[in-house]
Amino acid sequence: DTGVSQNPRHKITKRGQNVTFRCDPISEHNRLYWYRQTLGQGPEFLTYFQNEAQLEKSRLLSDRFSAERPKGSFSTLEIQRTEQGDSAMYLCASSSFLGQVRSYNEQFFGPGTRLTVL
Amino acid sequence: ELKVEQNPLFLSMQEGKNYTIYCNYSTTSDRLYWYRQDPGKSLESLFVLLSNGAVKQEGRLMASLDTKARLSTLHITAAVHDLSATYFCATRAQYGNKLVFGAGTILRVKS
Repeated sequence: DTGVSQNPRHKITKRGQNVTFRCDPISEHNRLYWYRQTLGQGPEFLTYFQNEAQLEKSRLLSDRFSAERPKGSFSTLEIQRTEQGDSAMYLCASSSFLGQVRSYNEQFFGPGTRLTVL
Repeated sequence: ELKVEQNPLFLSMQEGKNYTIYCNYSTTSDRLYWYRQDPGKSLESLFVLLSNGAVKQEGRLMASLDTKARLSTLHITAAVHDLSATYFCATRAQYGNKLVFGAGTILRVKS
């Protein structure tokens, strides 16, 4: 296992179209996170899963955004009716959570999917 | 709400010089992370600091954490061109799960 992978790496779409991104975490990691990064800014948290359960969602995640992790392995992030403001790098990260005391919970990031909405 | 501030946001330095990047955060946190990002690339983990007074070093980079001051520093010793990148600090609220990142420090090392 070479790390977190994301597909596609680049996506160009027209405003109003739907897009879906995939993230494959490091295989033994039980937590998976989605972040969004715009130019010149640090990543902003969107949502995270522990196994298949979605445990937290940011208020940045409007109802046009939905994320799933159906079998506790890979995850998908779908954006419906894309807007130009959705253009960003979407980063996925994974970590191994062993409980608050024992876990470093260090997050390892994938290469990202760069979305451009025309 | 947890906020993270980094300074400077842009740093241009000569090869061989030393400098420090500062990272302040606004509420109690139990760990601090430093990441490096090259243009168009994802984030590479540099350091995880877990306790007050923690210091870690890797090559020309050294990171430290003062939880009482809510301050972490990333010190660069004798900079080389290969260190040119954007450096982010990130932390989480105590017992929280999501990372909150600073805006990043763009480092350019000139020969």
